Amino acid sequence: GAVVSQHPSRVICKSGTSVKIECRSLDFQATTMFWYRQFPKKSLMLMATSNEGSKATYEQGVEKDKFLINHASLTLSTLTVTSAHPEDSSFYICSARDAKPNYGYTFGSGTRLTVV
Amino acid sequence: AQKVTQAQTEISVVEKEDVTLDCVYETRDTTYYLFWYKQPPSGELVFLIRRNSFDEQNEISGRYSWNFQKSTSSFNFTITASQVVDSAVYFCALSEAQAGTALIFGKGTTLSVSS
Repeated sequence: GAVVSQHPSRVICKSGTSVKIECRSLDFQATTMFWYRQFPKKSLMLMATSNEGSKATYEQGVEKDKFLINHASLTLSTLTVTSAHPEDSSFYICSARDAKPNYGYTFGSGTRLTVV
Repeated sequence: AQKVTQAQTEISVVEKEDVTLDCVYETRDTTYYLFWYKQPPSGELVFLIRRNSFDEQNEISGRYSWNFQKSTSSFNFTITASQVVDSAVYFCALSEAQAGTALIFGKGTTLSVSS
């Protein structure tokens, strides 16, 4: 089945630094990838939709300059949290939908970011 | 706009009890997909089922069953003879059929099964 690999699974960084999270589709081409954020005991909130070769579409309230998304190829999307602050600490999870519209969504295993 | 409501925030049961997790959705689309995911403490999302809007047949998979009723816009999930390993957060989600659209999640129901 479709597999999405997300790295790192956990990261601790200092306040003010940037962190990059990678999401790779291993056995299919993902023209569209989605990034979600989940606070403890909360639901998954869609942050942005990234399409290969074009700019990401951000949901209302998500800072584009803080959460940089790049989808340079059909198998790789990255989320960079710039100038991270403790309030950015959260669980981030990516999802890819195969180019074929009848396929479901495949999720990465998530990244737990802690900013100290 | 699409919306998924899981009114039950937390449910606690004792092993072997049956439990039903409710899900109500809103959409203006005639073609859409409904999903259930399980999220154990590790955080990974475990896919349970996908149902398209044209298929109202109920489904059973082992101890799991799903009741899809378009008339009430509900897609409820029942676990029969619950086990401690069923303890997790369960999410109901909705998507349009159109490629490139994201899954919209409900707020989730935390199920705790005690022995």
